Amino acid sequence: GDSVTQMEGPVTLSEEAFLTINCTYTATGYPSLFWYVQYPGEGLQLLLKATKADDKGSNKGFEATYRKETTSFHLEKGSVQVSDSAVYFCALGYNQGGKLIFGQGTELSVKP
Amino acid sequence: EAGVAQSPRYKIIEKRQSVAFWCNPISGHATLYWYQQILGQGPKLLIQFQNNGVVDDSQLPKDRFSAERLKGVDSTLKIQPAKLEDSAVYLCASSEAVPGNTIYFGEGSWLTVV
Repeated sequence: GDSVTQMEGPVTLSEEAFLTINCTYTATGYPSLFWYVQYPGEGLQLLLKATKADDKGSNKGFEATYRKETTSFHLEKGSVQVSDSAVYFCALGYNQGGKLIFGQGTELSVKP
Repeated sequence: EAGVAQSPRYKIIEKRQSVAFWCNPISGHATLYWYQQILGQGPKLLIQFQNNGVVDDSQLPKDRFSAERLKGVDSTLKIQPAKLEDSAVYLCASSEAVPGNTIYFGEGSWLTVV
């Protein structure tokens, strides 16, 4: 079946450091890929998405590229801020059906 | 635009008791989801509704969990009797009934079973 695997957390970085959070997936079809973010005390929010191979999703300085050959969708940001501290979830979903399959989440802590 | 509303936000119950969670989706969203998020894990789909019909309830423990969506708007998720392993955040989400549309999540209902 389909599944998503993320790198273990927590990840602790200093402000302005480069961020990479690894995500790999196993899929039986051709899913869309997503990154959701969960700030403390808040619900999940869509951060970015990519719907087909080689697409790049981007938002708020974050980027991720849909790599079919490596079945990956790694999240990157060039310079993190304290306000980026949150839990990040990678997910896959199919247009038909709509449900999402999530990874286990990666906690990011950014120190000033 | 109002988001997905859930209540209560927090609930503590003893094992074998019952609990109910309520969800009001974004206006006009035909698809409604209930996810269970256990601490340290990603959310797992429990049930998906399209209007007031069930699309997918394959991972709903039907011996103790039930959900309904009367009139295709609000939804209620019930657990009876609760077990210790039901301690989790219960997330409601909704989306338009268009393939590929964004799924919006509520803030969640935190359940602790003691």
